Amino acid sequence: AQSVTQPDIHITVSEGASLELRCNYSYGATPYLFWYVQSPGQGLQLLLKYFSGDTLVQGIKGFEAEFKRSQSSFNLRKPSVHWSDAAEYFCAVGAAAAGNKLTFGGGTRVLVKP
Amino acid sequence: DAGVIQSPRHEVTEMGQEVTLRCKPISGHNSLFWYRQTMMRGLELLIYFNNNVPIDDSGMPEDRFSAKMPNASFSTLKIQPSEPRDSAVYFCASTTGVVYEQYFGPGTRLTVT
Repeated sequence: AQSVTQPDIHITVSEGASLELRCNYSYGATPYLFWYVQSPGQGLQLLLKYFSGDTLVQGIKGFEAEFKRSQSSFNLRKPSVHWSDAAEYFCAVGAAAAGNKLTFGGGTRVLVKP
Repeated sequence: DAGVIQSPRHEVTEMGQEVTLRCKPISGHNSLFWYRQTMMRGLELLIYFNNNVPIDDSGMPEDRFSAKMPNASFSTLKIQPSEPRDSAVYFCASTTGVVYEQYFGPGTRLTVT
């Protein structure tokens, strides 16, 4: 069965600083990987996804993520954080063998200091 | 497109009452998912449908929960009777079933007193 771990429950970052959120997955074959963002009181919005090809993927809002098969990781990065990036971020993994199901990590809450 | 639509956005009910949550998926999407989100348990998949057929309901907590999808544009999640521990935000999501990318609705915040 697939699983996703987000080791950091909370991260506090200063506005303008860089941000990196960690995601580790467990799955025997090539997974489909996603990052979602949830602003307070809102549903989840897709930031980016990886299916195959270039291991560095670009998403919306200036985010990018890098797939590293050797480390079973799919970390999310942003070079310069804006106050509006304060939200909760979820990594998710899907796989053909699992049908359309996604397995979500526990989430990382990002606080942005002025 | 209007996106995934959920109603109501907020529901407050008393313990023992029946609660029905509604979802309209994005037109053309053939898979629909119901999730529950709580502080303690995070985001949990309750049930999902492909082409209106329930595929996996292993996440449904107990018999008090039931879900239906009578047609491609409508689904309900019912809790009967409701209990305080059912208080959570319930999300509906849909996808085309091809690329696994799910689109989430705004959620229904349920409070059972």
